[in-house]
Amino acid sequence: DTGVSQDPRHKITKRGQNVTFRCDPISEHNRLYWYRQTLGQGPEFLTYFQNEAQLEKSRLLSDRFSAERPKGSFSTLEIQRTEQGDSAMYLCASSRLVAYEQYFGPGTRLTVT
Amino acid sequence: DQQVKQNSPSLSVQEGRISILNCDYTNSMFDYFLWYKKYPAEGPTFLISISSIKDKNEDGRFTVFLNKSAKHLSLHIVPSQPGDSAVYFCAASGGAGNMLTFGGGTRLMVKP
Repeated sequence: DTGVSQDPRHKITKRGQNVTFRCDPISEHNRLYWYRQTLGQGPEFLTYFQNEAQLEKSRLLSDRFSAERPKGSFSTLEIQRTEQGDSAMYLCASSRLVAYEQYFGPGTRLTVT
Repeated sequence: DQQVKQNSPSLSVQEGRISILNCDYTNSMFDYFLWYKKYPAEGPTFLISISSIKDKNEDGRFTVFLNKSAKHLSLHIVPSQPGDSAVYFCAASGGAGNMLTFGGGTRLMVKP
């Protein structure tokens, strides 16, 4: 059990650029979640996958955001035309199908200048 | 509309004493509650959880209490250790996807 990994750990980009983050969940976990955390706040749910199917998206996930989990293993989160308000920590978590407990990766810190 | 609230942004306790972290929620549909610990530059680490059908769950130095009628839960750490210094998040789950709704966190500082 190697835990959830995320890449990159840090990303600095200029406003208007596109960025993509990757998450590798714990291998036997069917569910994969994306959250966003801003300074001084708790993580906020963005979207989740059960295997390769994206089953729910938060209203926080504007049309500039897209997430995929093409083979039910790793996932990517893309932000197009980044804005300064997108600066945050993006967290990925995974869980077993029938479990409540989610296990988080270290996060990707995005800074939009 | 914050459905999960942690009203104390910070808490300072002496090593060896009890730390009590509190959490309130408003949504009656939540059926499972979790506590996570977070160190700087790391993701949240799962600590302990409790189902809504229970009122207490204990794991070593950590105990979570749930008062459903008051929509309140608390995390007790006894005895507190300096390594417990971190931000603690309360989270609640409900619905088909088990998405977590987090509180704003409480920074615990345990002084030697």
